[in-house]
Amino acid sequence: AQKVTQAQTEISVVEKEDVTLDCVYETRDTTYYLFWYKQPPSGELVFLIRRNSFDEQNEISGRYSWNFQKSTSSFNFTITASQVVDSAVYFCALSEVHQAGTALIFGKGTTLSVSS
Amino acid sequence: EAGVAQSPRYKIIEKRQSVAFWCNPISGHATLYWYQQILGQGPKLLIQFQNNGVVDDSQLPKDRFSAERLKGVDSTLKIQPAKLEDSAVYLCASSPMSGSYGYTFGSGTRLTVV
Repeated sequence: AQKVTQAQTEISVVEKEDVTLDCVYETRDTTYYLFWYKQPPSGELVFLIRRNSFDEQNEISGRYSWNFQKSTSSFNFTITASQVVDSAVYFCALSEVHQAGTALIFGKGTTLSVSS
Repeated sequence: EAGVAQSPRYKIIEKRQSVAFWCNPISGHATLYWYQQILGQGPKLLIQFQNNGVVDDSQLPKDRFSAERLKGVDSTLKIQPAKLEDSAVYLCASSPMSGSYGYTFGSGTRLTVV
């Protein structure tokens, strides 16, 4: 069965600290996509990254970086030099490619609090 | 481009009442999803439409929830009668033909059942 586990429920850091959010997934498919979304207090889900199962290259976007390791079924997200504006709930999600389309399976989320 | 529009933004109803939520997806997006997000949890898929046909409604409590997508554009999600445990944020999302190309979420409707 498909499953996404975010073991860290809450993380608190001080500004400028680096922080890593863990994500472990389970799937029987060989073709799938992994996502990270940010949900600020306003409630909307903001897309951060999509990665397909055939691309294990790490990705960096500004202060954000992602480490995808198929061997451990993990897709971890690191924020470098965290800022107060990074405070939000972060969700990791999995989608499997089916014939008629895809739907997202979300983890329970990690609440990140960054204090000044 | 305009985003996914949802209304109302907030709704408070008493248990056993009915409620309806509306979603207008991004123009041209064939796939539309309704997710339920209970406080402290990740969103959970309720129903997925491809144009005006249902692709997956396996997690929709069909005894009280219904959804339609007439003409393959706007969609309405209805709850009748509501229960206390239906209190949640209802998120609508849309994507091009295949969701693997990315999803855009609306701001959601926060439902409180008292």
